[in-house]
Amino acid sequence: DAGVIQSPRHEVTEMGQEVTLRCKPISGHDYLFWYRQTMMRGLELLIYFNNNVPIDDSGMPEDRFSAKMPNASFSTLKIQPSEPRDSAVYFCASSPGARGEKLFFGSGTQLSVL
Amino acid sequence: SQQGEEDPQALSIQEGENATMNCSYKTSINNLQWYRQNSGRGLVHLILIRSNEREKHSGRLRVTLDTSKKSSSLLITASRAADTASYFCATDATGNQFYFGTGTSLTVIP
Repeated sequence: DAGVIQSPRHEVTEMGQEVTLRCKPISGHDYLFWYRQTMMRGLELLIYFNNNVPIDDSGMPEDRFSAKMPNASFSTLKIQPSEPRDSAVYFCASSPGARGEKLFFGSGTQLSVL
Repeated sequence: SQQGEEDPQALSIQEGENATMNCSYKTSINNLQWYRQNSGRGLVHLILIRSNEREKHSGRLRVTLDTSKKSSSLLITASRAADTASYFCATDATGNQFYFGTGTSLTVIP
């Protein structure tokens, strides 16, 4: 398996623009997580899905952030409009689904909002 | 927040020495996991210890868990330059929500 695939690897955009981050989880994994990593706040859980259904989005910082999982092999995290403080590395991770199973992380998307 | 905290924030040792990192968390957990992150990469799972376990080994890794103190430690024996990375603990109290600590940055000097 290719592992969790994220795109783009790097994204540079201007404040106010819409940003869409993409993730393809490992086939057969029932859980998908979006995390954000910054020096100041470390790794923050934004939202997670179980069988394509959002279970907990309490970590999503603002209404500017939205996430979807239209099918088992694809998820998006969208920021509209983007702000400089959104600059961070965004990780997608998937898990086979049993309680407490380990997470498999993608390589992340480095987002810079100018 | 259920987020854990690793201690120390940064650690620098000579190759061949042992490295010990600690993790403290706030609420009761089902299990605790340790992950490694190389610079510019995603996190990689190292080891999982369940709440009813006290110690676990995997190769050069040894993890202990003290639920009464809400703390865990990760020991890397006979460190190598390739062990240079950041190390994170992650806890899950309910369901499959994993909360990560702030990480320990380990530098192993050849």
